[in-house]
Amino acid sequence: LAKTTQPISMDSYEGQEVNITCSHNNIATNDYITWYQQFPSQGPRFIIQGYKTKVTNEVASLFIPADRKSSTLSLPRVSLSDTAVYYCLVGVLSGGSYIPTFGRGTSLIVHP
Amino acid sequence: EAGVAQSPRYKIIEKRQSVAFWCNPISGHATLYWYQQILGQGPKLLIQFQNNGVVDDSQLPKDRFSAERLKGVDSTLKIQPAKLEDSAVYLCATSVRAPLTYGYTFGSGTRLTVV
Repeated sequence: LAKTTQPISMDSYEGQEVNITCSHNNIATNDYITWYQQFPSQGPRFIIQGYKTKVTNEVASLFIPADRKSSTLSLPRVSLSDTAVYYCLVGVLSGGSYIPTFGRGTSLIVHP
Repeated sequence: EAGVAQSPRYKIIEKRQSVAFWCNPISGHATLYWYQQILGQGPKLLIQFQNNGVVDDSQLPKDRFSAERLKGVDSTLKIQPAKLEDSAVYLCATSVRAPLTYGYTFGSGTRLTVV
């Protein structure tokens, strides 16, 4: 079963830009890439979604290369409140079907 | 817009007992998912409904887990009998879009502890 791969943890400081990359080598041709943020004792919260190239919204940017085998979530000027676990979600081939599969998540800690 | 409602918030049971979780989706969201999240891991899909039909349940341990979605709205997930390894947070998520576009809204989850 092909999996998504993310760094386990990252550290940053307030005001810095943070880039988190997810590898998804066997992504389906027509599948989107979605990123979520999760705080303790809460369900994941949708951040951004894209299919190719670059997508930007009010909180983040998502960069997807032409081969779509990876994606990078970019958080500009992080603050303490951005400390959370970040997950990428793609469809992963399993038993003939594409199953929406989360990575293990990247724990981001933002320091003062 | 009201969010995805789940209950109970917490549940503690002994192994071999049964338990049920309930999810009320956002109005109009046709697609509903149940995920299991073990501590320190990402959520794992258990079952996906489109309206009241099952789209995928390939990762649902069908010998002990069951789920239904009545009239394409509320859904229940049941475990019978529970095992120690079922201790996890059970998350319900809903989406207005069809499968392959994964903009979900998650509930806060039910934390199950099996002792």
